[in-house]
Amino acid sequence: AQSVTQLGSHVSVSEGALVLLRCNYSSSVPPYLFWYVQYPNQGLQLLLKYTSAATLVKGINGFEAEFKKSETSFHLTKPSAHMSDAAEYFCAVTGNAGGTSYGKLTFGQGTILTVHP
Amino acid sequence: KAGVTQTPRYLIKTRGQQVTLSCSPISGHRSVSWYQQTPGQGLQFLFEYFSETQRNKGNFPGRFSGRQFSNSRSEMNVSTLELGDSALYLCASSSPTLGGTEAFFGQGTRLTVV
Repeated sequence: AQSVTQLGSHVSVSEGALVLLRCNYSSSVPPYLFWYVQYPNQGLQLLLKYTSAATLVKGINGFEAEFKKSETSFHLTKPSAHMSDAAEYFCAVTGNAGGTSYGKLTFGQGTILTVHP
Repeated sequence: KAGVTQTPRYLIKTRGQQVTLSCSPISGHRSVSWYQQTPGQGLQFLFEYFSETQRNKGNFPGRFSGRQFSNSRSEMNVSTLELGDSALYLCASSSPTLGGTEAFFGQGTRLTVV
């Protein structure tokens, strides 16, 4: 079974400050991990993904995440927050057992990021 | 390349009715998954279809069903609607490869049950 825990349902930062959104996962198989962003009344947009290649993954809009197996973590960071980053962020995991589980994502509860001027 | 298209965007139904939602995946994608998003339960996996076969299923009652057509388009149906079925229903398509893949999401269908 797989699960994802996002620490902090709300995170508030000032514009220009570091953004850190935490994600811990549990998986019985080597995981594929994703971060998605959702703007109000929209679907989910992929920010970045980890698929067992480089442990430091760079995504769109200046975001990056580091896969740490020893800590079962995949935290999302951005050096300098922008007002347009305000949204809800979801961490998700799927298994890669023979490629049959790619379509089944398990999501964390989400973290709402607020950016103050 | 067109993205994932979900229709309709908004629906209002009455308790006890049934509803059908449609999803057109990205061209060439054979996997279509459905998710329910609510403020209380978050994002929950409903089911996945691949090449017209249900490959994975979440923990939802039998009132929730789906199907996939030969052109990979998918529909989900909810029968005997309950107030608690009010949610944003998201469809995602993907193209499984050995190297791993991501799911591309549609804008969702907002279902309100009154």
